[in-house]
Amino acid sequence: DAGITQSPRHKVTETGTPVTLRCHQTENHRYMYWYRQDPGHGLRLIHYSYGVKDTDKGEVSDGYSVSRSKTEDFLLTLESATSSQTSVYFCAISESDRGSYNEQFFGPGTRLTVL
Amino acid sequence: KNEVEQSPQNLTAQEGEFITINCSYSVGISALHWLQQHPGGGIVSLFMLSSGKKKHGRLIATINIQEKHSSLHITASHPRDSAVYICAVKALSGNEKLTFGTGTRLTIIP
Repeated sequence: DAGITQSPRHKVTETGTPVTLRCHQTENHRYMYWYRQDPGHGLRLIHYSYGVKDTDKGEVSDGYSVSRSKTEDFLLTLESATSSQTSVYFCAISESDRGSYNEQFFGPGTRLTVL
Repeated sequence: KNEVEQSPQNLTAQEGEFITINCSYSVGISALHWLQQHPGGGIVSLFMLSSGKKKHGRLIATINIQEKHSSLHITASHPRDSAVYICAVKALSGNEKLTFGTGTRLTIIP
């Protein structure tokens, strides 16, 4: 299994509080991703990173920010959590060589409940 | 209309049956993933393919690029195969983003 951990694995918080989720990898892969998974929707990309300090928005980025100060860590922050952000969050990693595409490997997920 | 459509959405079968899950997509792609997610569990990559066919144990994945269609087959299905199977595609555009189907929930009854 690819070395990906997520913390916390479960969190319950209240509306309006800030929340930070952490993804940590030991594979030294270049790309890291944050997805959310909700019933009736496929996995949806929130933000991704293609290197240290290099990030870009995905399709559902509103209300989320990210940071990547080290290769191994990718943080997802909800500045002011809302109930619509209740979801399961998955981190993924991939390595990408020029001209090719490498599969993504997923972390175990974080279940976030916003009351 | 989603760019990636899976069928069926739900599938229940008896142990031992041959299973087929389908994935159709509407954009040109460079690669297609099949992923497996057990209830309450993480997501595991089963296959990544861009042409032809791949086999791993009882699982077989095929892709027809011209028809924009892929199938995942499970031979001699077993209750432990019960999971959600997810298809995801990487479009030919120059970034690494995947577009995911909503998954097929497979239940194998002993």
